Amino acid sequence: RKEVEQDPGPFNVPEGATVAFNCTYSNSASQSFFWYRQDCRKEPKLLMSVYSSGNEDGRFTAQLNRASQYISLLIRDSKLSDSATYLCVRAGGSYIPTFGRGTSLIVHP
Amino acid sequence: DTGVSQNPRHKITKRGQNVTFRCDPISEHNRLYWYRQTLGQGPEFLTYFQNEAQLEKSRLLSDRFSAERPKGSFSTLEIQRTEQGDSAMYLCASSSTQTTGQGGYTFGSGTRLTVV
Repeated sequence: RKEVEQDPGPFNVPEGATVAFNCTYSNSASQSFFWYRQDCRKEPKLLMSVYSSGNEDGRFTAQLNRASQYISLLIRDSKLSDSATYLCVRAGGSYIPTFGRGTSLIVHP
Repeated sequence: DTGVSQNPRHKITKRGQNVTFRCDPISEHNRLYWYRQTLGQGPEFLTYFQNEAQLEKSRLLSDRFSAERPKGSFSTLEIQRTEQGDSAMYLCASSSTQTTGQGGYTFGSGTRLTVV
């Protein structure tokens, strides 16, 4: 089983829709979690950190559920510019980030 | 500082040749990571340096791969006797002790390797 698992999608949604991605992880010793965004043929960039208490940044909300070992990302009022691959990332005690395969989001007019 | 710099951007090589990639991290970052990414997959961890010390290597890093960070600044990744399966995007990232806990890993634009 991979350390970090994501549904690759694609998730194809209209503008204005709300979309949610989940990511499961297998290492209970994981310390930190993040969502990264990667545009086509570009490098990954940090979108937001994920906390047990939840983390909201504008239209984006991230949540961590340690008991069930999953994290989630909710995007409200989707924009065309949100089209990208969203990478789930965990970092263990040594803080070396482990990436999921990514979930592809396509927002259409 | 303009971020993490990787050179070359693209490399096409014949099978069996050796290739070397360079990564210049953000100057105040003491941690440096190498990843490999293929189409439809997330970045896969290869190796990690803290300053000049190589502290962890993935089992993906076969004996044909070697990485160095001699002065704790720039790093090189060398692949000897390249194989077609080595074709991928090679990404370098850096972070500092202060930024790591907040997910502050800054990636370079990568080196795309094609082995023909």
